[in-house]
Amino acid sequence: AQTIHQWPVAEIKAVGSPLSLGCTIKGKSSPNLYWYWQATGGTLQQLFYSITVGQVESVVQLNLSASRPKDDQFILSTEKLLLSHSGFYLCAWSRDWGVAEQFFGPGTRLTVL
Amino acid sequence: QQQVRQSPQSLTVWEGETAILNCSYENSAFDYFPWYQQFPGEGPALLIAIRSVSDKKEDGRFTIFFNKREKKLSLHITDSQPGDSATYFCAASQGGSAKLIFGEGTKLTVSS
Repeated sequence: AQTIHQWPVAEIKAVGSPLSLGCTIKGKSSPNLYWYWQATGGTLQQLFYSITVGQVESVVQLNLSASRPKDDQFILSTEKLLLSHSGFYLCAWSRDWGVAEQFFGPGTRLTVL
Repeated sequence: QQQVRQSPQSLTVWEGETAILNCSYENSAFDYFPWYQQFPGEGPALLIAIRSVSDKKEDGRFTIFFNKREKKLSLHITDSQPGDSATYFCAASQGGSAKLIFGEGTKLTVSS
């Protein structure tokens, strides 16, 4: 069975500080990976997706970047946090390109002060 | 422009009743519609999904009714239980696309 792990569970950071969030998938080789952002009480917005190692596509511009250094790892980062970055960050995976079913991780709660 | 809309924003039903959650979309090219269930502080979980070639999909107490002509769908939860209290998101995607578009969600409360 596939498992998805996100770290950290929660972060409290200062405006202007750097950020790195991580996601690991186990039990599935070469998954498609996605990052989503969710404002408190809001909808989910896709930020990035990756089909393979080293390749990341941006969906929206929020002064964030993403990287896929390993087949099972997806990293979301920024050098300078804004207040508007606060929210719930979710990593998701799907089996193959063109397969729409996406499965979400437990999420990371980010509070920027 | 919101491509996927949900109504109502919140819904309260009594235990044992049927909850009906509505969803509509703009893009006629959308052909896959999953519903996700999200509890506070957790990631969304895929609940049930339908493709545009079908007009109904059933899984236990959960049923999706799909009307392609009107670009509308609904999720029916029969015999609602307090454990069903959560936020439900309707989403849509176009064949072969990695992009899932989510609605704003419906917060369901089931009272006992």
